[in-house]
Amino acid sequence: EAGVAQSPRYKIIEKRQSVAFWCNPISGHATLYWYQQILGQGPKLLIQFQNNGVVDDSQLPKDRFSAERLKGVDSTLKIQPAKLEDSAVYLCASSFLGQGATGYNSPLHFGNGTRLTVT
Amino acid sequence: AQSVTQLDSHVSVSEGTPVLLRCNYSSSYSPSLFWYVQHPNKGLQLLLKYTSAATLVKGINGFEAEFKKSETSFHLTKPSAHMSDAAEYFCVVMASGTYKYIFGTGTRLKVLA
Repeated sequence: EAGVAQSPRYKIIEKRQSVAFWCNPISGHATLYWYQQILGQGPKLLIQFQNNGVVDDSQLPKDRFSAERLKGVDSTLKIQPAKLEDSAVYLCASSFLGQGATGYNSPLHFGNGTRLTVT
Repeated sequence: AQSVTQLDSHVSVSEGTPVLLRCNYSSSYSPSLFWYVQHPNKGLQLLLKYTSAATLVKGINGFEAEFKKSETSFHLTKPSAHMSDAAEYFCVVMASGTYKYIFGTGTRLKVLA
């Protein structure tokens, strides 16, 4: 099966500019996650979708970050305006959970991430 | 609430010697546990996952993890380290009912020639 696709792979922008990341999950995966991983740290959940509904966005800085998942398939994450502290790798992941199965032991499948540098 | 604690932020081993990466979890229910590996500039790859069928779980690249309920631990081991094992390793627990995956802070494994 095809994996989780993300683009772009790298992005360099100046502070106060805007940027968008795209993710296409594994076909049939109902649940999609965006994580932010700052250098030297573990992934931090930004937002979790189940189909096209938001399950958890409690850690998403909503004054500058937005995300959508139209039609319950691919998703975009946007930052506007960017700050220096937004420099990180943005990881998209998907899971089979939420498809009616119990979900026990369903792993997360990750894309390769987008490395954002804000100068 | 579920959580995971990775007890070592850095581990160094010599090539050919055993690897032990420690993870303790906190869960009110029978947990879903995973280990992921992240090589430099790469995404996270699943190493193994805990199934209630067996307490000793075998993963890819010769890694294993043992689930010990009495110790609330899920330590990752490998009998003989290879240079290619140098990476960041994350222990993850899934919060049942919310589909939320909770990551440990990671252990950076260094393999010395």
